[in-house]
Amino acid sequence: AQTVTQSQPEMSVQEAETVTLSCTYDTSESDYYLFWYKQPPSRQMILVIRQEAYKQQNATENRFSVNFQKAAKSFSLKISDSQLGDAAMYFCAYGSGNTGKLIFGQGTTLQVKP
Amino acid sequence: GAVVSQHPSRVICKSGTSVKIECRSLDFQATTMFWYRQFPKQSLMLMATSNEGSKATYEQGVEKDKFLINHASLTLSTLTVTSAHPEDSSFYICSARGGGAREKLFFGSGTQLSVL
Repeated sequence: AQTVTQSQPEMSVQEAETVTLSCTYDTSESDYYLFWYKQPPSRQMILVIRQEAYKQQNATENRFSVNFQKAAKSFSLKISDSQLGDAAMYFCAYGSGNTGKLIFGQGTTLQVKP
Repeated sequence: GAVVSQHPSRVICKSGTSVKIECRSLDFQATTMFWYRQFPKQSLMLMATSNEGSKATYEQGVEKDKFLINHASLTLSTLTVTSAHPEDSSFYICSARGGGAREKLFFGSGTQLSVL
């Protein structure tokens, strides 16, 4: 079975600074993809970034980038120039290329200090 | 972008009653829908996967007789919590996908169920 682990229940960052959220996963599948989702207080799930496992190049979306280390099964999210609106719960998720199921990590609550 | 509408957003019911939650894909055909449950400040736990026209596949530990899932059309899936009890109180989220396993997943806005 696939598992996703986020070892940081809470993180805080100063506005305009950079923060990195950690995520590790375990799988025996060869076809998969990884996500970071943001869940603000409204609880609407918002896709932040997606990484295909077969791609070596790390995905980037504006201020958000990932460090995908396939051999180590590590998938961290870097948020640059943090903004107050980035404050939310962040979930790392594993997507099976076979079933399409998404398995979520425990989440990391990010606080952004003005 | 594609929209998934989930209703109601909030429901309060008495213990022993049944509650139905609807999940609709508004501008695409959802061949697969997923139902998740989320307790406060915790992760999303996958409950079941439903494919249009076939029986839902439940995750281990999820009672299929308590959480009835119907995916009768390509735009609608429903989750019925039968004989609800206070421990069923939770936030329920649906997500939908049109196409294969690698297609983008769209989330509903969730339903907060409170059982008194």
